[in-house]
Amino acid sequence: DTGVSQNPRHKITKRGQNVTFRCDPISEHNRLYWYRQTLGQGPEFLTYFQNEAQLEKSRLLSDRFSAERPKGSFSTLEIQRTEQGDSAMYLCASSSDEERLSSYNEQFFGPGTRLTVL
Amino acid sequence: RKEVEQDPGPFNVPEGATVAFNCTYSNSASQSFFWYRQDCRKEPKLLMSVYSSGNEDGRFTAQLNRASQYISLLIRDSKLSDSATYLCVVTPNNAGNMLTFGGGTRLMVKP
Repeated sequence: DTGVSQNPRHKITKRGQNVTFRCDPISEHNRLYWYRQTLGQGPEFLTYFQNEAQLEKSRLLSDRFSAERPKGSFSTLEIQRTEQGDSAMYLCASSSDEERLSSYNEQFFGPGTRLTVL
Repeated sequence: RKEVEQDPGPFNVPEGATVAFNCTYSNSASQSFFWYRQDCRKEPKLLMSVYSSGNEDGRFTAQLNRASQYISLLIRDSKLSDSATYLCVVTPNNAGNMLTFGGGTRLMVKP
């Protein structure tokens, strides 16, 4: 399977605990995005990487959230001291800015990690 | 006010019906426009891009009106498999191409 993969698919945690999610993008994609989606809403942008550089962060990304993409391949999203309001689906997407690709600039989403904070 | 607004529905239509969804966006500098489809508890998938000249893909037709900041999606001859949430998406004027989603319109096609 050469699509975007995310792990774990589900995470249940207690309030105050830290959690970390992983995203593996499509291999030739240099751009990686994190979004958050709550029930009945569309996804909301959190942050964006171009290779290993984190170029944009949403105001939604409080200081309890940190994302990394150390080698420009997979990425991790960590939430510290989780709160019940963090419960959501966390979606990762990847794309390529290479015009030679037929899928140039199209964002492909992973299946998401569903977080439940008790 | 949300940047991208959609009627949440649900739109309940019989098989074979024609159904239209509308969407408005607030950022006049938005550069690119899309419709995504999201099935229940699945990830969003690109349905089609939307161009100023309008574009068609089989039973699906998308239109963009930049002056009114309005995007539409028309589905003809609805199938049961069209049942899903349709997300209107725009990108602002930036190099990162981050997507701004509407809340989605839920479509239920019934036999």
